[in-house]
Amino acid sequence: QITLTQQAESLWVSPGEKVSITCRASQSLLYTDGKHYLSWYQQRPGQTTKALIYHASIRTDGVPTRFIGSGSGTEFTLSIEDVQPEDIALYYCLQTLKKPYTFGAGTKLELK
Amino acid sequence: EVQLQQSGAELVKPGASVKLSCKTSGYTFSNYYMSWLKQMPGQNIEWIGNIYGGNGGTGYNQKFKGKATLTVDKSSSTAYMDLSSLTSEDSAVYFCASLNYPGWYFDFWGPGTMVTVSS
Repeated sequence: QITLTQQAESLWVSPGEKVSITCRASQSLLYTDGKHYLSWYQQRPGQTTKALIYHASIRTDGVPTRFIGSGSGTEFTLSIEDVQPEDIALYYCLQTLKKPYTFGAGTKLELK
Repeated sequence: EVQLQQSGAELVKPGASVKLSCKTSGYTFSNYYMSWLKQMPGQNIEWIGNIYGGNGGTGYNQKFKGKATLTVDKSSSTAYMDLSSLTSEDSAVYFCASLNYPGWYFDFWGPGTMVTVSS
C-alpha cells in the first residue's frame, strides 16, 4: 500500500504568519490522466471534517484562497498564508490513487 | 445542502456486533460511493471500504475484511456498516464520507459515531 508521511506532528504559528505542511508519498500519485490523487483535509474539534484541496492543488468550494495546495509526484505541500485563529486544527493528506486509500498521520497546527 | 447524519454513540461488549448508520440528504445517493473510515483516539484515519449507492457494489481494505460489512438502503438514502466480533481494538470513531466523482476525494463527512468496546 502507499504510505503517506507527514513529518511534522505539530507546527506552531502566530496569526498572520505563513505555514507549510508537507506530505510525502511512498510512490508517485500521478495517474495517466495527468492528475495527482492527493487531497487535504481539516479537522477541528466539534466540527465535521472539511475537504480543502483535491488533485493536489484545486480548492474545494468555499475554501479561502489563503489555503494553497502544491506539489507533484511524491512531494506535496499545503500552505496557509496569513493564518487565522480558526485555522488552528489537525490537517491530513489522503491518497486515492490506489486502494487501500491511505491518510498521512496528521499535522496539528498550534498557536505560538 | 448535503448532509450526512450518523447514528449515536455505542457502548458494546467484547464479542458483540454493532450496526452503524449514515443517513444522507441533499444529493442523489445512488450516483455516488460512500466510504467508511476509522479513527482511533489520537491516531491516524484508516479507510475501511467503499460502497456504491446505486447497486451496493463494495470494495474493502483487506485489513477490515471479515470485520466490516457495508450495505445500503436506496429507498432511505442510508448507508450502513456492520462491525462484528468486536474487541478493544475496534473502539474508535467511525465516519462516513461521500466520495466525490470525478475529483476522487471525500467531499462531505458525517460527524462520526464513537464506538466503545468494554465489558
